Amino acid sequence: DAKTTQPPSMDCAEGRAANLPCNHSTISGNEYVYWYRQIHSQGPQYIIHGLKNNETNEMASLIITEDRKSSTLILPHATLRDTAVYYCIVRVGRAGTASKLTFGTGTRLQVTL
Amino acid sequence: DGGITQSPKYLFRKEGQNVTLSCEQNLNHDAMYWYRQDPGQGLRLIYYSQIVNDFQKGDIAEGYSVSREKKESFPLTVTSAQKNPTAFYLCASVEYRDDLAGRQFFGPGTRLTVL
Repeated sequence: DAKTTQPPSMDCAEGRAANLPCNHSTISGNEYVYWYRQIHSQGPQYIIHGLKNNETNEMASLIITEDRKSSTLILPHATLRDTAVYYCIVRVGRAGTASKLTFGTGTRLQVTL
Repeated sequence: DGGITQSPKYLFRKEGQNVTLSCEQNLNHDAMYWYRQDPGQGLRLIYYSQIVNDFQKGDIAEGYSVSREKKESFPLTVTSAQKNPTAFYLCASVEYRDDLAGRQFFGPGTRLTVL
């Protein structure tokens, strides 16, 4: 699976959009981009994933560049409850095999008043 | 309400004792996983199981053992051979679909402290 690079920390004012970048320059054509977040002392929570098209759900939007070498997770109106560590992971989508995920150290997002 | 449960939330043990962490899921997922997390670090894979009665070592399996006798249960035993067992342990499961192969559902975790 491709390796990802994320900034170690970011700040965002409450109510503003939080844009979290991820670099995955070695991504292969069949690898999906997944985003998880982990609030302190809890299990990670799935946020969103995509292959090549931009995706949006009730939690966030995922923008993947045309060459797929980087992506951005967007939290449109960050709240204090969004303070967490955000992990970007790339994973081959292949059912029938163990979906081993490699969690790096992620980006620590601090939302402030 | 479907999900993954882990018990207990906090666990204290004396050095040299084996301890078993519970993980149960009612999501009907085939695959289950155990991760370990140390302070300020990412998650590291201990063991995983794709089907009942089958499991494979992850990246840091030494000092741990697992069993998978039922689809919904995947207990982890931390043995006395694990040199530094104090950590946050997370269990997860996943559905078998190509487009969801990376969407793991995590339990709330068990924080183990060895005194």
